Amino acid sequence: GAVVSQHPSWVICKSGTSVKIECRSLDFQATTMFWYRQFPKQSLMLMATSNEGSKATYEQGVEKDKFLINHASLTLSTLTVTSAHPEDSSFYICSAYRADTQYFGPGTRLTVL
Amino acid sequence: QKEVEQNSGPLSVPEGAIASLNCTYSDRGSQSFFWYRQYSGKSPELIMSIYSNGDKEDGRFTAQLNKASQYVSLLIRDSQPSDSATYLCALQFYFGTGTSLTVIP
Repeated sequence: GAVVSQHPSWVICKSGTSVKIECRSLDFQATTMFWYRQFPKQSLMLMATSNEGSKATYEQGVEKDKFLINHASLTLSTLTVTSAHPEDSSFYICSAYRADTQYFGPGTRLTVL
Repeated sequence: QKEVEQNSGPLSVPEGAIASLNCTYSDRGSQSFFWYRQYSGKSPELIMSIYSNGDKEDGRFTAQLNKASQYVSLLIRDSQPSDSATYLCALQFYFGTGTSLTVIP
């Protein structure tokens, strides 16, 4: 149990385009989901907390207009990277939260050309 | 982001030895502490959580928490080559810098 999926697992896009990443909790409902970004050789950096039915809470320094988060249901949160640039290339990981435990998705590798 | 510091490593230990990983934090109000393991290109896997001062053991892993000194550690006994990975300490949802561990056969 407690499986979280992400789609796509990898994506390559041109600079200036937008990319949407989906995070789904497959066998449980998650009121709260988290989005992380991880650059090579670095740790996970929390970008935002996504709460079902309300606006996401962004960490300091994360542009909310660039990284749009929607948590429309108890099993789905989406992250849209708008007007992506090469510096946005990274490994994006989501997690779904239940009973004081984070269940992580497998991650999405974004490459912006 | 909450400050969570780990000895950056890399740390190398021979197979069968004890690996010791340390983490310090700045937020005295932190209540929940986690150790994760991450293999290259993968997402983190939870090893264990610890909430109270003292030791918590799970198989070959022992987590130690000292809130007064604001540190949490992880001991891996009888280290195996498959334990080679990056180990991440987390305070609730905030991750430390990670320590790379290599277990040498």
